Amino acid sequence: GAGVSQSPRYKVAKRGQDVALRCDPISGHVSLFWYQQALGQGPEFLTYFQNEAQLDKSGLPSDRFFAERPEGSVSTLKIQRTQQEDSAVYLCASSLSGQVSQPQHFGDGTRLSIL
Amino acid sequence: DAKTTQPTSMDCAEGRAANLPCNHSTISGNEYVYWYRQIHSQGPQYIIHGLKNNETNEMASLIITEDRKSSTLILPHATLRDTAVYYCIVRVAAGGTSYGKLTFGQGTILTVHP
Repeated sequence: GAGVSQSPRYKVAKRGQDVALRCDPISGHVSLFWYQQALGQGPEFLTYFQNEAQLDKSGLPSDRFFAERPEGSVSTLKIQRTQQEDSAVYLCASSLSGQVSQPQHFGDGTRLSIL
Repeated sequence: DAKTTQPTSMDCAEGRAANLPCNHSTISGNEYVYWYRQIHSQGPQYIIHGLKNNETNEMASLIITEDRKSSTLILPHATLRDTAVYYCIVRVAAGGTSYGKLTFGQGTILTVHP
């Protein structure tokens, strides 16, 4: 496919479980971003990768959140010991380069529900 | 990043032009204006962006005032499928330390009616 692909589309987990969310960016895109969107709100930045390097993780809400992109393509966002407040849509976006003149292209997100 | 102000909601008749305003009075000279929209249950969709000059693509036109303190997104012939939340975002240009992250506000809910 030509766009950003995220899986799973929906994830339900019990409080305290660990979850892993996957993002397949557009082929050849150097930059990759993760955002969190709470119900009724705009997306909020979590973390940024340039190739395999995580250059900004200032938006991660706690040390329970961890992201990686080991080979500079696919990225995984992991949440350990999930809490109810982690329920949200997690969005991934990629762009061709790190230049801010290059638009970010988003996937349709993973809707995470913590029971 | 500079803050943006948008109306909470707008209506438009199908087939008419939709003009969505955005105020960004504190914008700096190296900051871009970006527009995204988000349809229910989908990720944000890139529409258009600009720095100083007006821009046009297959989706929309972006009109930026000369002082760059405001802009207008124009959908020339709105359809029912254009009903969405529209976000106006000001983004720091190359050289900033934000790495180009997008800071979303509340956006404008555009409803296109028959």
